[in-house]
Amino acid sequence: EAGVAQSPRYKIIEKRQSVAFWCNPISGHATLYWYQQILGQGPKLLIQFQNNGVVDDSQLPKDRFSAERLKGVDSTLKIQPAKLEDSAVYLCASSLSSGAQETQYFGPGTRLLVL
Amino acid sequence: GNSVTQMEGPVTLSEEAFLTINCTYTATGYPSLFWYVQYPGEGLQLLLKATKADDKGSNKGFEATYRKETTSFHLEKGSVQVSDSAVYFCALRLTGNQFYFGTGTSLTVIP
Repeated sequence: EAGVAQSPRYKIIEKRQSVAFWCNPISGHATLYWYQQILGQGPKLLIQFQNNGVVDDSQLPKDRFSAERLKGVDSTLKIQPAKLEDSAVYLCASSLSSGAQETQYFGPGTRLLVL
Repeated sequence: GNSVTQMEGPVTLSEEAFLTINCTYTATGYPSLFWYVQYPGEGLQLLLKATKADDKGSNKGFEATYRKETTSFHLEKGSVQVSDSAVYFCALRLTGNQFYFGTGTSLTVIP
């Protein structure tokens, strides 16, 4: 079974530029998550999708971050404009459903450096 | 609110030593509990999980028991190996809700 795919793996941009990340979840997984992991910290949820609908985006900085999952499969996360403090690893994860017992499977992450 | 507290690292052990990484949680409800591991340069991988009180999760020689009375889910391994060097994250999840992760504990095992 293929895992969660993410691209690119690394990205370096200057502040005020825009950037987009792509995620392809495990086939059949209805729930998709985007996390931000700042160096030395645990992952922080940015947004959770159930199929193509947003379940939780309470911690997404909506003035600069946006995400979509138009067909309920792939998802993109965009930052526009980027700030220095956005430097982090952006993790995508998926699970079969949003049940408490469901395991989340994580992709390798996209490491973003904002200069 | 919901939160997870892990013992701070870094932790350095000699090969074959006993490992304990403490994890306690606060949750409004009955969460499932997880340990994830992040090897250098890789994404998070599920190590083990427990979905109800008194359950014991185990994998690769690691164990953790869901203790509702002490709201804990401590990770243990009887004999660590160099290949266990990684960052370990404790997490909880409530139905329909997000995961809450601890800050991670870095483990280095030296030969």
